[in-house]
Amino acid sequence: GIQVEQSPPDLILQEGANSTLRCNFSDSVNNLQWFHQNPWGQLINLFYIPSGTKQNGRLSATTVATERYSLLYISSSQTTDSGVYFCAVADMRFGAGTRLTVKP
Amino acid sequence: NAGVTQTPKFRVLKTGQSMTLLCAQDMNHEYMYWYRQDPGMGLRLIHYSVGEGTTAKGEVPDGYNVSRLKKQNFLLGLESAAPSQTSVYFCASSSRVGQPQHFGDGTRLSIL
Repeated sequence: GIQVEQSPPDLILQEGANSTLRCNFSDSVNNLQWFHQNPWGQLINLFYIPSGTKQNGRLSATTVATERYSLLYISSSQTTDSGVYFCAVADMRFGAGTRLTVKP
Repeated sequence: NAGVTQTPKFRVLKTGQSMTLLCAQDMNHEYMYWYRQDPGMGLRLIHYSVGEGTTAKGEVPDGYNVSRLKKQNFLLGLESAAPSQTSVYFCASSSRVGQPQHFGDGTRLSIL
């Protein structure tokens, strides 16, 4: 099946810093989503982005389908951004996630 | 508006016991999903449904059965629980493919 790799596995930031999370996938896809799981385990869908760029407040995402990767940008990070960020592709194959810790 | 509700929130079973996890959504969504999440891993799709009366296998369906008799409910059954099924189970729903999935708060299941 399709392989999904996320990097980095862990990221520690100071509040206010920017970050870029990456999702690589091994085959062409027509479905790519980004999710945030907060420290209490709750999951929120951030973006559905099989191609192109979308923005929602301080978060934006870009998928380059022909090169099989997607990027999630977090600007001016806040402590509430902490948690694990997952990408999922195709028939909902998830990567292992990037654990983000934002320190005050 | 409750969204997606999972019951129970916690459960401890003995090996070989059976149980059913219930997922209920009040958003009139067509699609519903069951996932499991093991420590340090992303979610893995167990089964999903694209509408009332339909079910389909996901990535890790073995040892589980599902039913979608009513549009708002999606049941996940374990007929003979095994320790390897110890996990956190999440249910989600969406109006269609490509639309945001709304998740329940999860069920933490331990099998001894």
